[in-house]
Amino acid sequence: DARVTQTPRHKVTEMGQEVTMRCQPILGHNTVFWYRQTMMQGLELLAYFRNRAPLDDSGMPKDRFSAEMPDATLATLKIQPSEPRDSAVYFCASGLVGRGLLFFGQGTRLTVV
Amino acid sequence: AQKITQTQPGMFVQEKEAVTLDCTYDTSDPSYGLFWYKQPSSGEMIFLIYQGSYDQQNATEGRYSLNFQKARKSANLVISASQLGDSAMYFCAMRGNILTGGGNKLTFGTGTQLKVEL
Repeated sequence: DARVTQTPRHKVTEMGQEVTMRCQPILGHNTVFWYRQTMMQGLELLAYFRNRAPLDDSGMPKDRFSAEMPDATLATLKIQPSEPRDSAVYFCASGLVGRGLLFFGQGTRLTVV
Repeated sequence: AQKITQTQPGMFVQEKEAVTLDCTYDTSDPSYGLFWYKQPSSGEMIFLIYQGSYDQQNATEGRYSLNFQKARKSANLVISASQLGDSAMYFCAMRGNILTGGGNKLTFGTGTQLKVEL
């Protein structure tokens, strides 16, 4: 059963620490997305990749967030330094170019204290 | 720019009844796609149903159907014969024009929390 896998599922960290979230997209999918979900803002697109190339990261705070795809089976989202306002659920999703349909991972619930 | 509006923050429905969750959208592009996702309390996002802007018939998937009214720019989700397991947050989302590169990104509404009662 193909699925998007995210690790860790939960992360509690202190303000100022580096946080790295990982995502394994569904094999064969060529688009990968990072979304952030909060009560106040809902689902926000942070970044997306097509064929491992970053196409849009306009939704991401550039000074502290970075997203990469070192290979086709791994996408990472890094926050350095983390702040309490970064507390949210971070979703990774993958799909095929042009289809629009995205398959989501279970999310990483990040709490920054 | 694309926009999705879900005006119902919360809805209640009795088990076995049908319920309609509202979604309106705004886009200037003639080609687009509309999705509904379900997010139960466990947190994952589950794809339910899809409607393309040029599809002539309303999409159906089991107990889910999409009431697509193009002129009104609405894409309401209808759940028939509600079950307790349908209690969840429901999100409407839109993708842009595949041919102009907008087909990859989804824009989401704010969601509707559905509670199914006995």
